[in-house]
Amino acid sequence: DAGITQSPRHKVTETGTPVTLRCHQTENHRYMYWYRQDPGHGLRLIHYSYGVKDTDKGEVSDGYSVSRSKTEDFLLTLESATSSQTSVYFCAISRELIAGELFFGEGSRLTVL
Amino acid sequence: QQQVKQSPQSLIVQKGGIPIINCAYENTAFDYFPWYQQFPGKGPALLIAIRPDVSEKKEGRFTISFNKSAKQFSLHIMDSQPGDSATYFCAGRGSQGNLIFGKGTKLSVKP
Repeated sequence: DAGITQSPRHKVTETGTPVTLRCHQTENHRYMYWYRQDPGHGLRLIHYSYGVKDTDKGEVSDGYSVSRSKTEDFLLTLESATSSQTSVYFCAISRELIAGELFFGEGSRLTVL
Repeated sequence: QQQVKQSPQSLIVQKGGIPIINCAYENTAFDYFPWYQQFPGKGPALLIAIRPDVSEKKEGRFTISFNKSAKQFSLHIMDSQPGDSATYFCAGRGSQGNLIFGKGTKLSVKP
């Protein structure tokens, strides 16, 4: 298994509170991604990073921000969580941006009450 | 133009059956079509992939059939087993390298 650790794995929070999810990799891959998975929607890209301090938006980036201060860590922040952000969040990594293979973490289940 | 449409949403087969999952895409710039397999509580993992210059690819019991003119591709699982029960996602890779995923198919293989 690729060395990807997501934390926390489960979190319950209330509407309006800030939430930060962490992704840590030990593979030294340049590219890191945050996806959300929802029933009926599959996997949708939130943000991705192509290097330290280099990030870009995906298709569902509204309400989310990211930061990458070290190669191994990619943080996803919900500044003010809403119930529509209840989801399972997956971090993924790849060697190249035009990648054939993404390696996914085991997911973080977030419930916003 | 960026969509990948996947069907069916769910599928139940008996052990030994051949489930078929279908995907269709619109963007002719897609140049790589992977399938990911996801077990409950786990992240997706690459199962098999194909490029559009090939009509079929087999890896073990898993086969991708690709029809470039119809912009369709499908996954076949030969001699399916209960351990194949999982959610399967097809995807297409766009010109900027991003993967566009289908919505997933939940497969249950009954003993």
